[in-house]
Amino acid sequence: KNQVEQSPQSLIILEGKNCTLQCNYTVSPFSNLRWYKQDTGRGPVSLTIMTFSENTKSNGRYTATLDADTKQSSLHITASQLSDSASYICVVRPNSGAGSYQLTFGKGTKLSVIP
Amino acid sequence: GAGVSQSPSNKVTEKGKDVELRCDPISGHTALYWYRQSLGQGLEFLIYFQGNSAPDKSGLPSDRFSAERTGGSVSTLTIQRTQQEDSAVYLCASSLSLANEKLFFGSGTQLSVL
Repeated sequence: KNQVEQSPQSLIILEGKNCTLQCNYTVSPFSNLRWYKQDTGRGPVSLTIMTFSENTKSNGRYTATLDADTKQSSLHITASQLSDSASYICVVRPNSGAGSYQLTFGKGTKLSVIP
Repeated sequence: GAGVSQSPSNKVTEKGKDVELRCDPISGHTALYWYRQSLGQGLEFLIYFQGNSAPDKSGLPSDRFSAERTGGSVSTLTIQRTQQEDSAVYLCASSLSLANEKLFFGSGTQLSVL
């Protein structure tokens, strides 16, 4: 069964500090992995996408890494801001074929940035 | 529209009643998805529409759930004879096509069944 496990479940950090969120997946073969940010009461918004051949992808203060051999990804947030408080969701798409649109979502990491 | 629009944003209903949730996708997006997000759980796939093709209903949890998409645009998710376990946030998303699976989500409908 395809699974995506995220850790930690929740995290509290001080404003200005860095943090790293983890995602382990069992989806194989896989096409790509996305990190989404979900603010409270809103729908998820895509931050980054990585294919199996990519190791790192940045979007401003967000940097995602991918190790396709160990099936692990991380999302690093630099110089955190209060507006980074949200849930971060790791989403994996299986390789192209029937049902490849059926994405596997992690449960998310709830990040709280405090002043 | 500028984004995916869902209505209502909140719905409180009594057990046994039927509810209809609406989703208006981004104009030009051919793919539309419904997901359910329960507290502390990952998004659960419900149903998928792509253009004029038959929808993939494999994620619908029971025959009380149904969805339609009229004219390839607006979609409604109907839950009949609601149960307390149906309480969740129902999220709609759209994408340009199946090949482009970057999803654009609406803000969801928070359904509470009393």
